[in-house]
Parts: sequence; structure tokens; C-alpha cells
Amino acid sequence: QKEVEQDPGPLSVPEGAIVSLNCTYSNSAFQYFMWYRQYSRKGPELLMYTYSSGNKEDGRFTAQVDKSSKYISLFIRDSQPSDSATYLCAMRPSTGNQFYFGTGTSLTVIP
Amino acid sequence: GAVVSQHPSRVICKSGTSVKIECRSLDFQATTMFWYRQFPKQSLMLMATSNEGSKATYEQGVEKDKFLINHASLTLSTLTVTSAHPEDSSFYICSARDWGQEYGYTFGSGTRLTVV
Repeated sequence: QKEVEQDPGPLSVPEGAIVSLNCTYSNSAFQYFMWYRQYSRKGPELLMYTYSSGNKEDGRFTAQVDKSSKYISLFIRDSQPSDSATYLCAMRPSTGNQFYFGTGTSLTVIP
Repeated sequence: GAVVSQHPSRVICKSGTSVKIECRSLDFQATTMFWYRQFPKQSLMLMATSNEGSKATYEQGVEKDKFLINHASLTLSTLTVTSAHPEDSSFYICSARDWGQEYGYTFGSGTRLTVV
């Protein structure tokens, strides 16, 4: 079983839609949960990070962490064509530098 | 915010040759840098952790003699792919830890290596 599972998609939505991206994980030691956006042939760009459980909102983006279910989500409201990219979830324990990445979900927002 | 510069962005080399990829922290000192490899439609896989002034720590299954890492200064780490083969073709990404920020992991823009 992989440490982090993420549906690769692809996901295609019309402009203005609400997008829901999800990851599940198996390691209960994970404490930091991140979402990255990666454009084609570029390095990942941090969108949001959350420590432990709860919600975090930043503009059109909302990150949710449910540690009891080992499930994290990223919601994108009022999606824009510029949001078209691959979204990677990542997580790590409270100690150490080892990140565990999902495979990424490819998102296309159609104008 | 912290910026990590990675160079080159794309490189094509012949089988058997060596290729060096540079990763620089531009506005902070990075005692620790990380090298990842990403195959198409797959997640980033950590290859090694590079520590300034000491030997790199390689993940299981990564050949240290093939992927040479040097972290000679607080702002520069290099990854050299030696005796490259077509199966080494991949997207290589570095990351650096900026201890001055609450969340200080910043990724470079990646290097697309193609071995022909």
C-alpha cells in the first residue's frame, strides 16, 4: 500500500465550478499536510499547508484535514482557466524532512 | 519569499556522458537541500538529502556512485548524473529548507533530462 493515495484524474470542469481534490494516507504519524500546484515542466509551488486537523482558507482555496479518516481535501472555488495544472498533496511527520507525495491530480478548467 | 534557482531547465545528453544540475538558494542559506526525481504521471520520489559540508544521505535503491551530490556551500548543491543511460531520463527537482520561515520548503523549477 502506498503511503499516500491520490486520484490522478484527469479532472475537467467548466470555469466557475467548485473543484474538490482529495488524498488519503495510511501513516498516522503524518502531522503536516500540504497542497502544491505544478504547471507542466515546472517545480511544485506551495499553495497551502496545514498542521494537524482542521480547515484553512486562503482566498479561493480551502484545505481540510480529517486525521481520524486519514483524508485531506483541497477545494477551489470559482475555478479559473489559470487554475489548470497538476495538484499534488504532500505530507510529513512532525520530525524529519521526509515528504510523502501523492501522484498528483491533473485539472483542466474550461473557459 | 524564499527562492530556489535550478539550472539547467532542460538538458539532452548522450549515453555514457555525465550531466551536472545546480540548485541554488538565492536569498537564504540552506544547510539542507533535497533532490527528487519525477517520472511522468508519478509522484516525486526523494533521491537524497544533501547536507552542507557533509556527505549526502541517499534513499534506498538510489545509486550513490551514479548520482553524485555535492553541497559545498550554504547556497549551492549539485547533482551529477554519471554515465547517463536512457533510463535516467526524468524530471529532477531540488528543494531547500529555509529555517527562517515557518514553512520553509521551497522547490526549484526542475530539470528535464533526456539521455539519447
